[in-house]
Order: sequence, then structure tokens, then C-alpha cells
Amino acid sequence: AQSVSQHNHHVILSEAASLELGCNYSYGGTVNLFWYVQYPGQHLQLLLKYFSGDPLVKGIKGFEAEFIKSKFSFNLRKPSVQWSDTAEYFCAVNAAGKLIFGQGTTLQVKP
Amino acid sequence: SQTIHQWPATLVQPVGSPLSLECTVEGTSNPNLYWYRQAAGRGLQLLFYSVGIGQISSEVPQNLSASRPQDRQFILSSKKLLLSDSGFYLCAWRGGGRESGELFFGEGSRLTVL
Repeated sequence: AQSVSQHNHHVILSEAASLELGCNYSYGGTVNLFWYVQYPGQHLQLLLKYFSGDPLVKGIKGFEAEFIKSKFSFNLRKPSVQWSDTAEYFCAVNAAGKLIFGQGTTLQVKP
Repeated sequence: SQTIHQWPATLVQPVGSPLSLECTVEGTSNPNLYWYRQAAGRGLQLLFYSVGIGQISSEVPQNLSASRPQDRQFILSSKKLLLSDSGFYLCAWRGGGRESGELFFGEGSRLTVL
């Protein structure tokens, strides 16, 4: 069965620190990969997505993610986080038309 | 532009009572529609999805059901709520046929079963 695993459930960083959130998926077919973010009190919104081509994708607000097919991974990165990045982050994989989500990672950035 | 609405935003119901959460999409036709439940530490669990009127796929066995009486309407229901049905329910849509497309989410409905 398809699944998505996010390694970190809760991450606490100071402003200007670098961020990397891990995501691994289990699916044998062609994948489309997504990172969604949910800021406190707001809707889920798309941060970035990978469909094909360059495995390094750039999203909004300085985020990027790298698709490594051999590792079944799609890790999210940001070189320098801000307090406003405090949110919950979800990795997702499109598996046969269904979007399967990971458990989510809560990021808390201390000013 | 396309919009998605779900209601009610908050609901408190006693155990054993019925449930109806509604979701409508505007500005698009023949969307794929989804119901997810979001629980702390468990991410988003796909409950149901629909690719057309009257077509419902259930992902997990549970006390809930879904219906799609119109192209842009998706309803989540229960005849008798359980305590374990408490949670945050999200409706989402994606353009029909665009299997690789992103999902767009509604505002969510928080259900508390007492």
C-alpha cells in the first residue's frame, strides 16, 4: 500500500537556522510529490510540487525540495527560517489519483 | 476563479446523533472531490473520493458515508456518531482528469462528539 513517512514530528529552530524536513514515500509507480503548509488558523496551501524534470524544485517563501528517486525521498529545505515559518508541514504523494499525506511536521521558530 | 466552501465550520454533537457536513465547489465542472480527516500527529487521512456524480470510493472502513448528489456537491454523513468520529474534516477538489494536479482545500469542519 502507498504510504508517506515524515521523520520529524516536531522541530524547534531559532530564526536564521537552516531547515530540512525529511519525507519518504512508498509507491512503485510514477509519482507526483507535494509539500503543503498550514499556518496557524489557516487553510492548507501548496508550498511546492514535483511532477517531472529538474528534481530540485523551488516553491514559495524561499522553500525548495529535492526529489531523489533512488531514495524515495522528497525532503524540504530552507536555508534560513523566519518566525513566520512557524506552521505544520505535510508531505504528500499522488498515488493513482489519490493524494496520500504524511503525518505532518510541526515547525516552531523561535524569534 | 474556483472556490470551495464547507459547512458548518464547527459542530458539537452527542453520541448517536446523525451528521451531515456539506462541501460545494464553484467555478469548475466535473471536479474530483475528496474528504479527509486531520488528526494531531496522524496527518491527513483520506476517507472518500469521488470522480463523478454518484461515484464514491471509500478508503477506510468506518462509521461514515459520503454522497455526491450533484456535480459540485460532496456530503459527508453518519447515521449515528461515535466518540471516535471527533476530528477536523477537510473537503478538497482537483480538476477532473488531472490526475497529477494539486488539491485545493476548504476551510475545514471541526466536529466534537460528546
